[in-house]
Amino acid sequence: DQQVKQNSPSLSVQEGRISILNCDYTNSMFDYFLWYKKYPAEGPTFLISISSIKDKNEDGRFTVFLNKSAKHLSLHIVPSQPGDSAVYFCAAGVQGGSEKLVFGKGTKLTVNP
Amino acid sequence: NAGVMQNPRHLVRRRGQEARLRCSPMKGHSHVYWYRQLPEEGLKFMVYLQKENIIDESGMPKERFSAEFPKEGPSILRIQQVVRGDSAAYFCASSLSPGQGAPLHFGNGTRLTVT
Repeated sequence: DQQVKQNSPSLSVQEGRISILNCDYTNSMFDYFLWYKKYPAEGPTFLISISSIKDKNEDGRFTVFLNKSAKHLSLHIVPSQPGDSAVYFCAAGVQGGSEKLVFGKGTKLTVNP
Repeated sequence: NAGVMQNPRHLVRRRGQEARLRCSPMKGHSHVYWYRQLPEEGLKFMVYLQKENIIDESGMPKERFSAEFPKEGPSILRIQQVVRGDSAAYFCASSLSPGQGAPLHFGNGTRLTVT
């Protein structure tokens, strides 16, 4: 059973446009969410996170939105740059626990010049 | 990914051999996590360790897999009698303060190939 789902395996956008990556979760116990970016042959790199007490968190070109009632979160990248091309993983966890994260399968983003 | 060191980067083993994967956490971090990524899949939690203690091994296969994080030295993930299905990328992560919503910091992984 997949507790964290990223239903789009890939996404292609033009440089300068907005990239929107989506993630759904099923476990209502999750109370914080993270996005990781991964280049080939490297480990995941933390990008941005959000706690369930918020519905938006912004860091430069990256914004994460959380809709708890829909159990849905999204990552917006604007403007998109070719260097953003990577696989993006959504992850979820429960605070106060072991920080064990549950990951989605990832979305491969390609930003075309 | 600077800070969490994993070695080797690539490891080739024949079926039935043993694989040992090493992980040194970021300086000051005493909490280590192992994740496995199969082809076309996300990262799956395997085990969470603190120094000399296994805290959560709910993601570890019941047989052939073991992990340790000794008082001195790196954390070791050990796979005995490897099979082709063990071929995957194994990532180690460390954390300073688990339970606070802090992100995990990952190493660049060990890619295990079983022939």
